Amino acid sequence: EVQLVQSGAEVKKPGESLKISCKGFGYSFTFYWIGWVRQMPGKGLEWMGIIYPGDSDTRYNPSFQGQVTISADKSISTAYLQWSSLKASDTAIYYCARTEFDRYTFDIWGQGTMVSVSS
Amino acid sequence: DIQMTQSPSSLSASVGDRVTITCQASQDINNFLNWYQQKPGKAPKLLIYDASNLETGVPSRFSGSGSGTDFTFTISSLQPEDIATYYCQQYDNLPLTFGGGTKVEIK
Repeated sequence: EVQLVQSGAEVKKPGESLKISCKGFGYSFTFYWIGWVRQMPGKGLEWMGIIYPGDSDTRYNPSFQGQVTISADKSISTAYLQWSSLKASDTAIYYCARTEFDRYTFDIWGQGTMVSVSS
Repeated sequence: DIQMTQSPSSLSASVGDRVTITCQASQDINNFLNWYQQKPGKAPKLLIYDASNLETGVPSRFSGSGSGTDFTFTISSLQPEDIATYYCQQYDNLPLTFGGGTKVEIK
């Protein structure tokens, strides 16, 4: 079965760092790009960026550039989203999703990772 | 950035009703538009791609149409399991952008 499995919920304090993961199963990980989407509590979907695990080519939404880092390790079919210094406003559910290159159509989604940031 | 304006933001309809949601882009996006369904507490699910193509396994009561700046998503006969929030998404230009969502409830 084709699926993306994300790491579990996180509770962090402001200023802490965090790296969440998204592991692909059931397909060739380097045939697709992985995107990240944020959903703040009770709000809509926001595209953060996308990475091609084959060569780590990455495109960011300018609204998130410099705020997060997207990376991937193709040897273990895993993509990552990381923060160096969390803020309370980073509290959200983060989804990874796969897409074919240049189609930007997310056909498989991870289950989401809830990140809570509070002092 | 391309702005996607979805309407209505919420609607209430009876089982069996025809439901229509519109999505307007701030500029011409050809047919580079997708529709997703998000049920409460779940990840989004792709329903329609390229404005009018039904994703494999999606019931035929769902459909999409439009091109350019104006798009429509339709549920031909609303079912109880269709309770969800629906989002449009353009992919003509980066950054990818989503509409604000339409919450569909049963009357």
